[in-house]
Amino acid sequence: DSGVTQTPKHLITATGQRVTLRCSPRSGDLSVYWYQQSLDQGLQFLIQYYNGEERAKGNILERFSAQQFPDLHSELNLSSLELGDSALYFCASSPSGSSYEQYFGPGTRLTVT
Amino acid sequence: ELKVEQNPLFLSMQEGKNYTIYCNYSTTSDRLYWYRQDPGKSLESLFVLLSNGAVKQEGRLMASLDTKARLSTLHITAAVHDLSATYFCAVDERGGGADGLTFGKGTHLIIQP
Repeated sequence: DSGVTQTPKHLITATGQRVTLRCSPRSGDLSVYWYQQSLDQGLQFLIQYYNGEERAKGNILERFSAQQFPDLHSELNLSSLELGDSALYFCASSPSGSSYEQYFGPGTRLTVT
Repeated sequence: ELKVEQNPLFLSMQEGKNYTIYCNYSTTSDRLYWYRQDPGKSLESLFVLLSNGAVKQEGRLMASLDTKARLSTLHITAAVHDLSATYFCAVDERGGGADGLTFGKGTHLIIQP
């Protein structure tokens, strides 16, 4: 157990809908990262937040957005969902803005039907 | 664009044998990470290699980093069934967590009795 929690574990929704994935980092970690894992694209970095501020962007679609709250938990919002958005979404955290060892949560499996 | 290439992508081997997984990357980063993933599970951090010539060992796994060759290896000694998993290498492009991690496609390792 890495200490990173993610909810929900599984999510099934229809195309065109919007969902929110939640992540709580390890105690004391300021940085949160979101990754998407799919068979087509592999593991892709989406976005990073550090102490409430966006720090880096990866291959995140415009339909997706994220934020980090004052208590450091983070939410990833996915809208206008498409079949191709079906994937495992991982959140990771690290102690500082550096990615010196990231600890991954259990993931949220999203299925879009 | 940063590229991280692993080979082989699939490896079936017998218990007791030795083998090496290779990870080539295209950036000048001196930080490289190895993760393990069991089917349907999260990523578990195995090694963080922070400098040229770094070598780390844990049980039957040993990882090394040659930043000049932009190559890392994960060596498996006297493999046992419990090491069956998918192994990913990842690179932090700018070495400071500015971009998240770029992952290879993973090496799916099956160890047969």
